Order: sequence, then structure tokens, then C-alpha cells
Amino acid sequence: AQSVTQLDSQVPVFEEAPVELRCNYSSSVSVYLFWYVQYPNQGLQLLLKYLSGSTLVKGINGFEAEFNKSQTSFHLRKPSVHISDTAEYFCAVSEVGNQGGKLIFGQGTELSVKP
Amino acid sequence: KAGVTQTPRYLIKTRGQQVTLSCSPISGHRSVSWYQQTPGQGLQFLFEYFSETQRNKGNFPGRFSGRQFSNSRSEMNVSTLELGDSALYLCASKVQGTTDTQYFGPGTRLTVL
Repeated sequence: AQSVTQLDSQVPVFEEAPVELRCNYSSSVSVYLFWYVQYPNQGLQLLLKYLSGSTLVKGINGFEAEFNKSQTSFHLRKPSVHISDTAEYFCAVSEVGNQGGKLIFGQGTELSVKP
Repeated sequence: KAGVTQTPRYLIKTRGQQVTLSCSPISGHRSVSWYQQTPGQGLQFLFEYFSETQRNKGNFPGRFSGRQFSNSRSEMNVSTLELGDSALYLCASKVQGTTDTQYFGPGTRLTVL
């Protein structure tokens, strides 16, 4: 079984500051890793995903994440945030080899960008 | 290309009733998954359908069921509603495989009174 822990439930940050949202996972098998964003009253949108290869993954809206296998982490970073980045962010995993690829989500991190 | 659509967007029901939610996937997508989102439990996987067959199932009671039609559209049904079923129900579609990106719909907000 897999589990995902997002270490911060809320992250307040000022506009143009850097931000890191932390994600750790636990799994007895290999997994794929994902970050999704959810804006108010909307569904989830994929920011980026790690399937294999380079451990540094670049996504949309200037976000990137680094897969660290030894620390079982997949932290999300952005060097300079905007007010429009205010949203809830979810880290998720799916089991490699599972045909359907069901996603196991963390509890979410609410990013609040202040002017 | 049109995104994933879910109907209705909002629904109010009373305890003991049943409800059916509908999801139309992106054209060409054959896999449809359903998730429940609540403040307490977060996002939880309900089930996934592919080519009209349930391919994965989460840990929900039998009151939660689903189906998929030949055009890939999917419905989920909840019978004998409980207060705790109040949630945002999200549908996601993808082409077919594990590594394909899942695209989420806006969700159906179900309130059980």
C-alpha cells in the first residue's frame, strides 16, 4: 500500500518570494509521482509528473519538483510566486505496473500568496 | 477539445435517498475514475472503469457503485445516502494507461441533509 504525507497544511508567502511545498511518500513498490493544483470551485489540474529519468521535473506555471528516492520525497518549488498561485496543491502517487493507475493523494497544502 | 464534464454541478438530497452522478470524458479517453473529496478525509479513490469494466476499486462500501457505457461516459450511484456522503465528487479521464495524464472535471457538489 502507498501513502502520501504533505508536511505543511498551510503555507503563507509574500508575492515574488520563493516557495517549497513538501511531500513525502511511503510505498513498498515503485511509484510514479504527481503534483496537482486545485483553484477554488474547480477540479484538479496537473502541474507536473515524474515517471522516470531525470529527477528534476519542470511543470507548468514555473513550478518544478525534485524526486529524491533515498528520502522518498518529491518537493515542489517555485522561485517567485504570484498572487494567482494562491490555491490548494496536492501531491499524489500511483503504483508502477498498476494498469489503471489509481492516484493516492496527500491531504493537500493550501498556498496563500500575499501582496 | 472539450474537457471532462460532470452533471449536475450541485445536488441536494436527504438521508436515505439515492443519487446518480454523470461524467463525460474527453473525446478519445477510455478510462474514467471517480474520487470523493471531503475536508476530513481528503481525496479518496472510489473506482476506475476502462472499456465498460471496473479495473480498480477503492475502499468504499457497496452503496457506491458505477458503470461505464460504450461511449466511455460514466455514472456513479450512491444508494441509501448518509450525511457523511456529503462531498465533492470528481471524475477524471485519461486515454488508458498508468502513465497517461488524468484530466479532472469540475466536480459535483453533493449535500446530504
